[in-house]
Amino acid sequence: GQNIDQPTEMTATEGAIVQINCTYQTSGFNGLFWYQQHAGEAPTFLSYNVLDGLEEKGRFSSFLSRSKGYSYLLLKELQMKDSASYLCAPMDSNYQLIWGAGTKLIIKP
Amino acid sequence: GAVVSQHPSRVICKSGTSVKIECRSLDFQATTMFWYRQFPKQSLMLMATSNEGSKATYEQGVEKDKFLINHASLTLSTLTVTSAHPEDSSFYICSARDGSGEETQYFGPGTRLLVL
Repeated sequence: GQNIDQPTEMTATEGAIVQINCTYQTSGFNGLFWYQQHAGEAPTFLSYNVLDGLEEKGRFSSFLSRSKGYSYLLLKELQMKDSASYLCAPMDSNYQLIWGAGTKLIIKP
Repeated sequence: GAVVSQHPSRVICKSGTSVKIECRSLDFQATTMFWYRQFPKQSLMLMATSNEGSKATYEQGVEKDKFLINHASLTLSTLTVTSAHPEDSSFYICSARDGSGEETQYFGPGTRLLVL
């Protein structure tokens, strides 16, 4: 079956760094997306990894290891507005995104 | 770029009525659009995938006669919830993907439906 495993909730301090891990199992693989979803809002696109390695985009970076079925999202210089759920969504062989419940990130002052 | 709009953002209706939700890609042509539903504190659930000019593909358990999807143009898809009931109350979100080979789905802002 298809499966995503992320921590349910994480807490971090404003200005710090946090890493949100994701392991996945899919039928085929066509890349992995990270989305941010604030409470009551729709998801917004953060990153897409299709090859192994680190993709850096400003304060956010995303890493992928296809052989390990593993990805992480790294958030630097945390701001209060980063409090949200972060969704790891791998794409299967049918180019469908597989969604888990995401990781709720709480930022404290 | 890659802006998707949805209308209405919020709707309240009586049980038994039908509600139409529009999803538009504003600055790109969306060959594929997706409709999701999300209940509070739960993950996104894909309802159906629609390709322009063809019938939508519904996920298992989603009634195609209840959730009518029309993707008549490359920038517009509509979801009609027919004979809505209180259990249909949810957050409905569309997303769109262009045909350029990029696989990113861009989401609309969502429509919150409350059926009384």
